Amino acid sequence: DAGVIQSPRHEVTEMGQEVTLRCKPISGHDYLFWYRQTMMRGLELLIYFNNNVPIDDSGMPEDRFSAKMPNASFSTLKIQPSEPRDSAVYFCASSFNVETQYFGPGTRLLVL
Amino acid sequence: DQQVKQNSPSLSVQEGRISILNCDYTNSMFDYFLWYKKYPAEGPTFLISISSIKDKNEDGRFTVFLNKSAKHLSLHIVPSQPGDSAVYFCAATDSGNTPLVFGKGTRLSVIA
Repeated sequence: DAGVIQSPRHEVTEMGQEVTLRCKPISGHDYLFWYRQTMMRGLELLIYFNNNVPIDDSGMPEDRFSAKMPNASFSTLKIQPSEPRDSAVYFCASSFNVETQYFGPGTRLLVL
Repeated sequence: DQQVKQNSPSLSVQEGRISILNCDYTNSMFDYFLWYKKYPAEGPTFLISISSIKDKNEDGRFTVFLNKSAKHLSLHIVPSQPGDSAVYFCAATDSGNTPLVFGKGTRLSVIA
């Protein structure tokens, strides 16, 4: 298996633009997680899905952030409009349970 | 409110010596603990875990110790190797009822 796949690996955009991050989980995994990593806050859980259904989105910073999982093999995290404080590394992870998660390589986002 | 704390942002150790990474938690419901390792430009990867029914778990050069009364766990790496240089995240959950809560990480540098 190729592992969790994320795209793009790097994204540079200007404030106010829409950003869409993509994730393909490991086949057969029921759970999908979106995290954000910053120096100040470490690794924060934004939202997670179980069988394509959002279970907990309490970590989503504000209404500018949205996530979808239209099927078992694809998820998106969208930021609209983007702001400089959204600059971070965004990770997607998948798993059979909430414990041992497999992380993708991350998307490094820079909002100018 | 940080439920999982890694109070040392960085640690430097000589090759061949022991590395000890520490982690404290505040939520008494946590009963399963994990360590993840992260190299630059990669996602975190699972390293070792321990259940609250144990106080020690060993896997090769890596040993995790759990002190439930002190709400403290530690990761020991013996002997340390340059390839161990990475960021180590401590994480915790309550029987998988909630997703992992991560600490901010400790950057370990093993000097040859």
